[in-house]
Formats: sequence, structure tokens, C-alpha cells
Amino acid sequence: GAVVSQHPSWVICKSGTSVKIECRSLDFQATTMFWYRQFPKQSLMLMATSNEGSKATYEQGVEKDKFLINHASLTLSTLTVTSAHPEDSSFYICSASIRTSGGTDTQYFGPGTRLTVL
Amino acid sequence: AQTVTQSQPEMSVQEAETVTLSCTYDTSESDYYLFWYKQPPSRQMILVIRQEAYKQQNATENRFSVNFQKAAKSFSLKISDSQLGDAAMYFCALARYNNDMRFGAGTRLTVKP
Repeated sequence: GAVVSQHPSWVICKSGTSVKIECRSLDFQATTMFWYRQFPKQSLMLMATSNEGSKATYEQGVEKDKFLINHASLTLSTLTVTSAHPEDSSFYICSASIRTSGGTDTQYFGPGTRLTVL
Repeated sequence: AQTVTQSQPEMSVQEAETVTLSCTYDTSESDYYLFWYKQPPSRQMILVIRQEAYKQQNATENRFSVNFQKAAKSFSLKISDSQLGDAAMYFCALARYNNDMRFGAGTRLTVKP
């Protein structure tokens, strides 16, 4: 089956620093990758949608200058949280979409990255 | 706008029994997809079942089945012969062309031995 990995799985950083999270589709090329955020005991909220080689599309209320997304290849997308603050502490989940036979897309989720900002 | 509502924050079922999780949604799209995802304590999202809105037949995956009522915009998940491993958070989700996915608030399912 399709596998999506994220690295790191857990990161702790100091306030004001930047953190990069990688999302990789290991055995398929993803047409689109997505980034979600999940606060404790809450649902997943879509942050942005990215396609390889083009600018990401951010959801309303998500600061694009704070959450930088780079989609350099069909198997790699990165999310950089710039000048992180404690309120950015959350669980970040990526997913990668692959077009299956019949023309429909299926999203496969990574295991998530827990970010703690001190 | 697309919204997904799960009105049951928590549900409990006895092992081997059947439980139904509710989900209602709203969308102006005519072509869309509905999903149930399971999120165990590991936080890994696992696809349980998927339903294409244009299909009238309810999707089934082993012990998991859905009751899709398009006119009522309802999409409930039935878990038969519940097992201890079914305990998790369950999220209902709605997407256009499998993208732009919106999730409900989730239902925490407890399975009692």
C-alpha cells in the first residue's frame, strides 16, 4: 500500500526559532500534498494544499509567511514554521494524494509530527 | 462551504456488539466523497471506508458499513462484531474530488471487554 512518512516525529524548539517538517511519499508520486493541524482532542484542520512546482494554496486564517510550504518534487513537501511561538505547538499531519484508476484521488496520511515550542 | 457534523463526542460498545456512529454534512457540490477515518492513540490516520456520492449503494468493508442518505445528507458508520482494536477516535470527512478534505469533530469510541 501507499506509505507516507514524516520527519521528525517529535520536535522541541525554543520560541523564535524555525522548524522544518518533511513529508515524503515513499512508494508513489503524489499529485497533491496537504498539511493539517490538530490541536489536542480536536479535529484535523486543513492548513494548505500544495502541488509540485507551484505555490501552496492556504486556507483562510493560515499565515502563509509563518507556515512556509515547499513542494520541491512529486515525493517531498516541507512545512517550515518560522519564528515559532508556544501557540504554534500542535500536531502537524501531512497527506499525499494519488490518482487511482477511474480518475479518483485517494489521500494517504503520514504519522504526524508533534511540535512543542518552549 | 462544506461542513461536517458529528454529534456524538463519545460512544461506547460492548465487545462483539454493533455500534453506529452518526455524521451529517452540508455541501453545495453535486460530486463529492465521504470518508470515515480511524485515529488510534498513535495518531496515525487510517482510512476505514469511503463512499462516492454518485453511488447509491452503501459501501462495505468487512465489519464496517455505511448508511448513506444523500437527500438527508447523512453518512453513518456501523461497526459490527466490535473488537477491542476498534477503540479509537473516528472522524467523518467530506471532500471534493478527494481533495480539500473537511473533517468532523470526531467521536471517541470505547470498546468494553
